[in-house]
Amino acid sequence: DAGVIQSPRHEVTEMGQEVTLRCKPISGHNSLFWYRQTMMRGLELLIYFNNNVPIDDSGMPEDRFSAKMPNASFSTLKIQPSEPRDSAVYFCASSLEREQYFGPGTRLTVT
Amino acid sequence: GENVEQHPSTLSVQEGDSAVIKCTYSDSASNYFPWYKQELGKGPQLIIDIRSNVGEKKDQRIAVTLNKTAKHFSLHITETQPEDSAVYFCAASMTGSQGNLIFGKGTKLSVKP
Repeated sequence: DAGVIQSPRHEVTEMGQEVTLRCKPISGHNSLFWYRQTMMRGLELLIYFNNNVPIDDSGMPEDRFSAKMPNASFSTLKIQPSEPRDSAVYFCASSLEREQYFGPGTRLTVT
Repeated sequence: GENVEQHPSTLSVQEGDSAVIKCTYSDSASNYFPWYKQELGKGPQLIIDIRSNVGEKKDQRIAVTLNKTAKHFSLHITETQPEDSAVYFCAASMTGSQGNLIFGKGTKLSVKP
């Protein structure tokens, strides 16, 4: 099993640009979670999907953030336009029951 | 909503000593408590979990205890080794939350050889 796959691993972009982060969950898992991790705020849940349906997006910071899950094997998190305060590590995790398994993360730097 | 407090924020021990990290939660409906280990540059890795129908669970050098009455749970690492150095997170969730985990702020454990 390849585990949760995220791409890109690192992204450096300029303020105002669109950023798209990608996630492939573990095959057979039915829930997918997007987290953001910063030193100041720790691990924050942004949004999660169950059976490809968004269940709770209350953690999405602003309308600049959007997430989609068009099928069971792919999800995207988009930031448009990006701002320097969006710099963080973004993790995707998937689960079948209670146990969540995390991907390696995408380190985003917005200059 | 649920709130998880974790202590200490940093912990330094000598190799071979034991390490204990403690967490408290606020919502008595929480019934699942996982622990994650995060090494530098990597995603959090699930190392052990406990459900509310169990008071203690052990896996080799790692154990977790749960006190439902006091609403706190702890991670115990015995015979620590330098490779145990990492940031450890506790979390809590409840049935019906579809796996929504509420995380503590993390504990940075340093094991000195």
